[in-house]
Amino acid sequence: EAGVAQSPRYKIIEKRQSVAFWCNPISGHATLYWYQQILGQGPKLLIQFQNNGVVDDSQLPKDRFSAERLKGVDSTLKIQPAKLEDSAVYLCASSLDGAGLNTEAFFGQGTRLTVV
Amino acid sequence: AQTVTQSQPEMSVQEAETVTLSCTYDTSESDYYLFWYKQPPSRQMILVIRQEAYKQQNATENRFSVNFQKAAKSFSLKISDSQLGDAAMYFCAYRTWAGKSTFGDGTTLTVKP
Repeated sequence: EAGVAQSPRYKIIEKRQSVAFWCNPISGHATLYWYQQILGQGPKLLIQFQNNGVVDDSQLPKDRFSAERLKGVDSTLKIQPAKLEDSAVYLCASSLDGAGLNTEAFFGQGTRLTVV
Repeated sequence: AQTVTQSQPEMSVQEAETVTLSCTYDTSESDYYLFWYKQPPSRQMILVIRQEAYKQQNATENRFSVNFQKAAKSFSLKISDSQLGDAAMYFCAYRTWAGKSTFGDGTTLTVKP
């Protein structure tokens, strides 16, 4: 079974530029998560999708971050414009379901973003 | 809001010895899940063990076991017969029944040969 795929693995941009990350979840997984992991901290949930609908985006800085999950499969996370404090690893995860028993999340390898 | 606290930023253990990583959490809910994840330097987060709050029996997975104390809101991870490959950052995570997760800030485990 293929895992969660993310690209790119690394990205360096200047502040005020825009950047996009891509995630392909495990086939058949209805729930997709984007996390931000700042160095030395645990992952913080940015947004959770159930199929192509948003379940939780309460911690997403909506003035600069946006995410979409077209057709309930792949997802993209965009930052525009980027700030220095956005430097972090962005993790994508998926689970069979978002609630109840099938909530084990499988993580991708992440994208390390450096804003200079 | 739920919070997860890992009070040990770093721990070390001698190979073949046993180590326990601590985790406490705060919640007002009665049904939830708890997880321990391992994150090696390659960054990919891997599930180590999970515990359903409604189960009184502590979960075990080979050399990994938990001590779940629901009343005390404590969820510690015990690694027996530590191996060099166990070296990683370990995250404790709380998940609501609806699927919202909160992670602790992690414990870096070093295994000494």
